Amino acid sequence: GQQVMQIPQYQHVQEGEDFTTYCNSSTTLSNIQWYKQRPGGHPVFLIQLVKSGEVKKQKRLTFQFGEAKKNSSLHITATQTTDVGTYFCAGGNAGNNRKLIWGLGTSLAVNP
Amino acid sequence: DADVTQTPRNRITKTGKRIMLECSQTKGHDRMYWYRQDPGLGLRLIYYSFDVKDINKGEISDGYSVSRQAQAKFSLSLESAIPNQTALYFCATSDWRGAGYTFGSGTRLTVV
Repeated sequence: GQQVMQIPQYQHVQEGEDFTTYCNSSTTLSNIQWYKQRPGGHPVFLIQLVKSGEVKKQKRLTFQFGEAKKNSSLHITATQTTDVGTYFCAGGNAGNNRKLIWGLGTSLAVNP
Repeated sequence: DADVTQTPRNRITKTGKRIMLECSQTKGHDRMYWYRQDPGLGLRLIYYSFDVKDINKGEISDGYSVSRQAQAKFSLSLESAIPNQTALYFCATSDWRGAGYTFGSGTRLTVV
């Protein structure tokens, strides 16, 4: 079946270092969405990318959608302790946009 | 008030008991979802509903049932709870495009 693989599973960085998480789909996606879940919290929507090769920025966060619409990345520049949490990607099925296919998430820990 | 409200926030129940988790939303969205989150397994879809008359099974619907009482209300029932249903349960909503899910704060369920 369709899968979205997300790597790495865990990442531990020093405050100020950069961080990147990657998502790869086995099939072409109609869109990719990114969510952040703080420890003890619920997933919160960050952004949606729809176009091939699309790049969007939110302050220190940069989101990319691959040319083939099968992969995506989230890059955080100069991490802060407030970035701690789990980042999930979720892909929309190009053939049937009725459900999202979720990655397992990347847990980010930031040492102050 | 939160856009998506889940009750209860925490629940401990005994094996074999029937339990209902409730979700209500003020977003005016037609689409509602129930997810289960377990450590290391990400978010798994239990049931979803695209309108009051549309109910669909997700990837792990066995042992669960749902009711869409109104556009704003979507409840999840465990007919006979078992210990491996111990998990964090999230309700979510989205608009017709499925873009940007809004999650509730979750229900932490423990079955003993």
